[in-house]
Amino acid sequence: DVKVTQSSRYLVKRTGEKVFLECVQDMDHENMFWYRQDPGLGLRLIYFSYDVKMKEKGDIPEGYSVSREKKERFSLILESASTNQTSMYLCASSPNWKREFVDTQYFGPGTRLTVL
Amino acid sequence: GEDVEQSLFLSVREGDSSVINCTYTDSSSTYLYWYKQEPGAGLQLLTYIFSNMDMKQDQRLTVLLNKKDKHLSLRIADTQTGDSAIYFCAESNNNNDMRFGAGTRLTVKP
Repeated sequence: DVKVTQSSRYLVKRTGEKVFLECVQDMDHENMFWYRQDPGLGLRLIYFSYDVKMKEKGDIPEGYSVSREKKERFSLILESASTNQTSMYLCASSPNWKREFVDTQYFGPGTRLTVL
Repeated sequence: GEDVEQSLFLSVREGDSSVINCTYTDSSSTYLYWYKQEPGAGLQLLTYIFSNMDMKQDQRLTVLLNKKDKHLSLRIADTQTGDSAIYFCAESNNNNDMRFGAGTRLTVKP
């Protein structure tokens, strides 16, 4: 089974702190994604990466950065956390669509971040 | 950008059928998915359908696709309390990204 793990289930930080959210997948997937989930808004893509050291902006990249130094790990960084970044953060991974017939993403359990 | 829309809430009685609807705008969609999110958990793939199909059945789940109207539905037969969750519709077009709806919260009453 594909396993996507996230470093924390719950996190509480203060405004202005630097926050790191870590995601690790064990299936040698090329693609990794960070979403935030807010009630009534569904999932919104923050950043994605299709290879080591590669990154692409998603729909809402402002206030975030990412790092992909190794294939299995994709980090989301909040340089200076703000209260409007309080949300559930979901990491996902997928194989390159040419490798797998069905293009789907596998999700981690999520990190609920509260910024005070 | 392309949109995926679904209603936010649905409430049914245990044993009834549930039908969750979704509409999308991208005419080049190749795959359409239904994900389930239980409380406190990540998203779990329930089922998917290729855009050249109009129906797929998997035990209690039936997916119907009307490609002309860009309408997707998920029917859950004999809904149980364990089916209470948020259901997300999603679509992709082989560009390694997916677009999700806002999610429908299904509540099953005993």
